[in-house]
Amino acid sequence: QVTLRESGPALVKPTQTLTLTCTFSGFSLTTSGMCVSWIRQPPGKALEWLALIDWDDEKYYSASLQTRLTISKDTSKNQVVLTMTNMDPVDTATYYCARGFLRKFDPWGQGTLVTVSS
Amino acid sequence: NFMLTQPHSVSESPGKTVTISCTRSSGSIASNYVQWYQQRPGSAPTSVISENNERPSGVPDRFSGSIDSSSNSASLTISGLKTEDEADYYCQSYDSSNPVVFGGGTKLTVL
Repeated sequence: QVTLRESGPALVKPTQTLTLTCTFSGFSLTTSGMCVSWIRQPPGKALEWLALIDWDDEKYYSASLQTRLTISKDTSKNQVVLTMTNMDPVDTATYYCARGFLRKFDPWGQGTLVTVSS
Repeated sequence: NFMLTQPHSVSESPGKTVTISCTRSSGSIASNYVQWYQQRPGSAPTSVISENNERPSGVPDRFSGSIDSSSNSASLTISGLKTEDEADYYCQSYDSSNPVVFGGGTKLTVL
């Protein structure tokens, strides 16, 4: 059974750096074609793709956010970490991680709501 | 970069059939697989169609997907609508320059 769980702070202040961890089980991120992606969803709005890390450590970022994002993986811990710098209230959203295989994402974690407020 | 455009909302009655479109702005819709995700209120998205027309295990055969090169679009069709199908639906695709692209989502109301 494949599961993913996001963890991180529920509240961050403007200008702070957000660090989120995706802890997964039931698959290996060393398997060819496998990836983990981060996606966010502001309240009442659409899904927005943020970043992706492939099994071979290739990394991809949203063009609009790439200067603020860093994605990394620790295969020994079955974790993928996303950092987002210079947080702003517009970054308030539910952040999801999802397993991907050949760019098909299933399953997704339950998501974690991050609020940016002073 | 390409975009995927979906209607903002659709509505239909229980038992009827509804189709949600997803139009690719540039590049061929047939060049890369299209996935569809269902998101019920308060829940994470789940896959209902992958690789244009494949149903993941557990998804009812009332859900089907297709692509149309003439309109450069993909479609999700749900037949025999049930109230439980009421949700937001997102299409997703990719290409060599854009690893993940989501459509803007369609709110399906079953009334």
